[in-house]
Amino acid sequence: SQTIHQWPATLVQPVGSPLSLECTVEGTSNPNLYWYRQAAGRGLQLLFYSVGIGQISSEVPQNLSASRPQDRQFILSSKKLLLSDSGFYLCACQTGGRTEAFFGQGTRLTVV
Amino acid sequence: GENVEQHPSTLSVQEGDSAVIKCTYSDSASNYFPWYKQELGKRPQLIIDIRSNVGEKKDQRIAVTLNKTAKHFSLHITETQPEDSAVYFCAANDPDSNYQLIWGAGTKLIIKP
Repeated sequence: SQTIHQWPATLVQPVGSPLSLECTVEGTSNPNLYWYRQAAGRGLQLLFYSVGIGQISSEVPQNLSASRPQDRQFILSSKKLLLSDSGFYLCACQTGGRTEAFFGQGTRLTVV
Repeated sequence: GENVEQHPSTLSVQEGDSAVIKCTYSDSASNYFPWYKQELGKRPQLIIDIRSNVGEKKDQRIAVTLNKTAKHFSLHITETQPEDSAVYFCAANDPDSNYQLIWGAGTKLIIKP
């Protein structure tokens, strides 16, 4: 099965600072990759997904962006963080829309 | 597009009793329905899933039932234990894109000792 590496586990960043979260996948090739955000006590909000290198679909307009420079690498970025960007960010991987989603350990981002 | 609703948002049961969480979906073309468990501060993990060609699936104390006519599916946990305390999410595949899972809002299950 797939293994998702996501780092860092926790991050505290000031408002207006940039962000880069990285996710890499092992154990599969050409996966579908996803970035989710989860506010405290809330559900999973899909931010971006990618079905291949350089292919990014955005679900929610905001000041975040995503890139997929390699088949098994997915990056979430921001040029200037807002307080509202705080949350638990999860990278996930699926081999198709009807298969198990594997999640990374998550990054707890606090914007101060 | 597909929409998934999950109830209840919070469920408190006595240890040893059963717990049932229900989800409804809107698109009859959906055919994959997983359930995930998320412990506090951890990642969601798949606990059981069902495809539309079966009506029920069991794995020890956990079972999922699917009613395609009514477009709803349920998670059943029997003989609940303290380690069952977590947030549970249901999902359905999005038949339009075939790339996404559409998630329910989650149910916080509390097991009372």
